[in-house]
This record gives sequence, C-alpha cells and structure tokens, in this order.
Amino acid sequence: GDSVTQMEGPVTLSEEAFLTINCTYTATGYPSLFWYVQYPGEGLQLLLKATKADDKGSNKGFEATYRKETTSFHLEKGSVQVSDSAVYFCALIRTNTGNQFYFGTGTSLTVIP
Amino acid sequence: DTEVTQTPKHLVMGMTNKKSLKCEQHMGHRAMYWYKQKAKKPPELMFVYSYEKLSINESVPSRFSPECPNSSLLNLHLHALQPEDSALYLCASRASGGAREQFFGPGTRLTVL
Repeated sequence: GDSVTQMEGPVTLSEEAFLTINCTYTATGYPSLFWYVQYPGEGLQLLLKATKADDKGSNKGFEATYRKETTSFHLEKGSVQVSDSAVYFCALIRTNTGNQFYFGTGTSLTVIP
Repeated sequence: DTEVTQTPKHLVMGMTNKKSLKCEQHMGHRAMYWYKQKAKKPPELMFVYSYEKLSINESVPSRFSPECPNSSLLNLHLHALQPEDSALYLCASRASGGAREQFFGPGTRLTVL
C-alpha cells in the first residue's frame, strides 16, 4: 500500500544553519507530494507541493524536489530562523483517484538563537 | 479564500455530555475530512465525506458521529466520550483538481474529563 517514511526527530539547529528533512514514499503511479507545517497549537498549513517528477515546490525559503528515481521529496532550507520551529509532515495523495492522504510521522524542528 | 473554520476552538466535556464540533469551508471543495491528532503525531484519519456522502470511516467508535449537512459544512457529534478521546480534532477540505491538496482548519482542542 501507499506510505510515507520520514526522518525521525527531533531536530535541533542553530539559527542560520542548513536544514534537510528526509522523506521517501511508496505509491502506485505518480502521487502528489506535500510538505505541511504545524506550529504549536495550530492546524496543519500547506508549505509546498509537487505533482510530477522533477517538479520543485518552494515557499518561504523552503524547497523540495519530486524525485521519481529515488521516490523522495526531501525538504531543505538554506538558513533557518527561530520562527521555523515547528513540526513538519510529509504527505502524499494519489493523483486523480482516492480520498486518502498518507502522512509521515512528522519531524519536530527547534531552532535556537 | 483558502480558509477552513472550526468551532469551538476549545471544548471541555464530561463523559456523559453530548457536544458537536463544526467545520465550514467556502472553497467549493467536495471532499471534507475529520482527523484526530495527538501531540506531535501525524493526523489520524477518522472520516471522509465526498460529495456529501460518507466515503471513508476508519472504524471509529460509534460515540463519534459525523454529519455533512451540505457541501460547505461538516459536523462531528460527540457522545459518551472517554478520557483517551482527548486530542486535537482537525477538519480539512480537499481541492478537486491540480495537486488535490488539503486545507486544514485550526482544530478544536477537546478535553474529556
């Protein structure tokens, strides 16, 4: 079945450090891939998305590239800020069919000044 | 407008109470979701409505009863809950085309005494 495997946390970084959170997936065909971010006490916010191989999603300095050959969608940011402290979820849904989303386990990021 | 609203924001209830959670979206999405989320864990799917019909029921106990009165509204009726049902309850709606991304509400923080 479809699934998402996400890098275990928690991750603690100093401000301005480089961030990578790994995400790999298993799915039939070409799913849509997403990164969601959840700040304390809030719902999930869509951070970025990609729908086909080699697509790069980007938002607020975060980037992720849809890699079909490695079934990966790693999240990166060149210089993290304290305000990036949150939990990050990788997710997928099959394109054009089905209603179920598959989430990774989430990675908690803390950025210290 | 990409907003999903949820009320109430917080709810405290006893095990014999009956209460309802409400969710509303005006993006024209025809798929709506209820999730349960524990701290720093991924959302757990409870129910999916597609075109106002129940599409997925993830073997949720009958003390949770969903309702979709129309394409913009989603309710979750609660009765005789247990303390372990205390969690953040998230509503989401899903776009029909493109990446088919989900948009989440801010959640209702439920405490069962």
